[in-house]
Amino acid sequence: DIQMTQSPSTLSASVGDRVTMTCRASQSISSWLAWYQQKPGKAPKLLIYKASSLESGVPSRFSGSGSGTEFTLTISSLQPGDFATYYCQQYNSGWTFGQGTKVEIK
Amino acid sequence: EVQLLESGGGLVQPGGSLRLSCAASGFTFSSYGMSWVRQAPGKGLEWVSTISGSGDNTFYADSVKGRFTISGDNSKNTLYLQMNSLSAEDTAVYYCAKSQQLFYAFDIWGQGTMVTVSS
Repeated sequence: DIQMTQSPSTLSASVGDRVTMTCRASQSISSWLAWYQQKPGKAPKLLIYKASSLESGVPSRFSGSGSGTEFTLTISSLQPGDFATYYCQQYNSGWTFGQGTKVEIK
Repeated sequence: EVQLLESGGGLVQPGGSLRLSCAASGFTFSSYGMSWVRQAPGKGLEWVSTISGSGDNTFYADSVKGRFTISGDNSKNTLYLQMNSLSAEDTAVYYCAKSQQLFYAFDIWGQGTMVTVSS
């Protein structure tokens, strides 16, 4: 089974900051990676698919990069509504989520 | 509008059974992969099961294999998850989700239904 490891677990940042988080796969998953945003009490929302493709309606301040085993999600200028937990997910072989990165207010 | 609406959650005793439903609207149910994902209180997301649009292919996490069964009724545009032999470890919010293709990201999610396994 493919394991997904996200870092950091928690990230403290301020509005306007550039934020980057990482997701590592235990084996190559090519570009079959998605990123989701989840706010408390809400369902996850797809942000990025195929490692770097922006889902329709998602602001362009969100971007994804990487391939193989290492991936990053970047928020270019953190907005108040971006404080949430972010999950990566591989779908190269089955489906596996990372444990999440919580972005909190500094 | 594309929408998913789960129902069927509730309180069940250990060893009991429950069937979750997910009503889909705004798209042709049989054309897409459909999945269940769960989230235990205060924990992360865990993929549970996926079914192909045709219903011919089903996939399960090891943690539920042999206990849970995913199915779909294309005439009702509804996805189901039959859960048997439930234990406290199955306590979670259960989300249904749609993907554009069978092995793909989940682009639409329901609001979730809570399942609590407790005596």
